[in-house]
Amino acid sequence: KAGVTQTPRYLIKTRGQQVTLSCSPISGHRSVSWYQQTPGQGLQFLFEYFSETQRNKGNFPGRFSGRQFSNSRSEMNVSTLELGDSALYLCASSLREGYEQYFGPGTRLTVT
Amino acid sequence: KNQVEQSPQSLIILEGKNCTLQCNYTVSPFSNLRWYKQDTGRGPVSLTIMTFSENTKSNGRYTATLDADTKQSSLHITASQLSDSASYICVVSAFGNEKLTFGTGTRLTIIP
Repeated sequence: KAGVTQTPRYLIKTRGQQVTLSCSPISGHRSVSWYQQTPGQGLQFLFEYFSETQRNKGNFPGRFSGRQFSNSRSEMNVSTLELGDSALYLCASSLREGYEQYFGPGTRLTVT
Repeated sequence: KNQVEQSPQSLIILEGKNCTLQCNYTVSPFSNLRWYKQDTGRGPVSLTIMTFSENTKSNGRYTATLDADTKQSSLHITASQLSDSASYICVVSAFGNEKLTFGTGTRLTIIP
């Protein structure tokens, strides 16, 4: 079974731009969660989607948004990028909420 | 406030030696505790998951213990190998909303 895939793997953007990251979960998984990982803060929860509905949301500003499609694929969008948004963005999928999560390789975003 | 603290922050040991990583948590009500291994530039990979009733769980050379009374967990690595060099992250789930609280990880370096 193919694992969680994330695209793109690497991205460089400038301040003020917006970015969209994509995540394809493991086949059959309906829950997708997004995390931001920085050296200083560790892994921080962004949001979780299940069956196209946002179930949980972390403490991030409204510039961070996401959505899930009917095929369980998910996207997250960050608008008006700031230097502090530079991080590894990880997506994890699970059969449903509360089940074992499987992480993708992440998207490394650099904001200059 | 739910918190997960890991120690030490970093650890360097010789190949072949054993080591133990610690995780203390204040998450309540407790649902389960997971240990993840994260290689540099990659997504975390699950090593073990333990629920309230489990004291010990092994995965090859990795053995996790859980003391739900003192809210402590440890990850013991036996006969370390160079490939064990990674960050090890402790994650605790709260019962009910299944929200995950992440520790900031222990950076383990194995030297030949």
